[in-house]
Amino acid sequence: DAGVTQSPTHLIKTRGQHVTLRCSPISGHKSVSWYQQVLGQGPQFIFQYYEKEERGRGNFPDRFSARQFPNYSSELNVNALLLGDSALYLCASSLAGRVVDTQYFGPGTRLTVL
Amino acid sequence: DAKTTQPNSMESNEEEPVHLPCNHSTISGTDYIHWYRQLPSQGPEYVIHGLTSNVNNRMASLAIAEDRKSSTLILHRATLRDAAVYYCILRGAGANSKLTFGKGITLSVRP
Repeated sequence: DAGVTQSPTHLIKTRGQHVTLRCSPISGHKSVSWYQQVLGQGPQFIFQYYEKEERGRGNFPDRFSARQFPNYSSELNVNALLLGDSALYLCASSLAGRVVDTQYFGPGTRLTVL
Repeated sequence: DAKTTQPNSMESNEEEPVHLPCNHSTISGTDYIHWYRQLPSQGPEYVIHGLTSNVNNRMASLAIAEDRKSSTLILHRATLRDAAVYYCILRGAGANSKLTFGKGITLSVRP
């Protein structure tokens, strides 16, 4: 079975630009979460979606937005990129996003902002 | 969110058991204890979770103190592939059961 897939693998942008990252969950999983991992730190929670509804949002500015599609795939959008947005962006899927549901992570998208 | 405290790093020898400690003195009664690990250049990977009782699976064992203020992840025979950052995470019940990662503990395995 395919795991969580993310695209693109790597991305280079310049300050002020916009970026869209994509995630396809494991088949049958209805919840998707996004995390940002800066070098040397643990992942930080950005968003969780379940059945196309936002379930939670971390402490990130409004430049960050996301959505989930009817097929449960998801996009993370970041506007007006800053140098500090350079990070590994991880997507995780789970059956329903409950506390007992294991989250399965994708390999991430490495974003570099110049 | 209740916090966890882990040592920064630990070294072990291949094929020996490894005990990774985690303190969580402010844990609430409904918080689950989850462990994830992150191998180099990969996304985090689920290891094990528990609430009150000790748990075993094919990857590891989780020993939870009686007062639940600490726990220990046990790898019974470390392999080189177990070298990773291990995160101890408290996960509360609720609609948004996010994972709150700390810095984790970096495990090195010597051949």
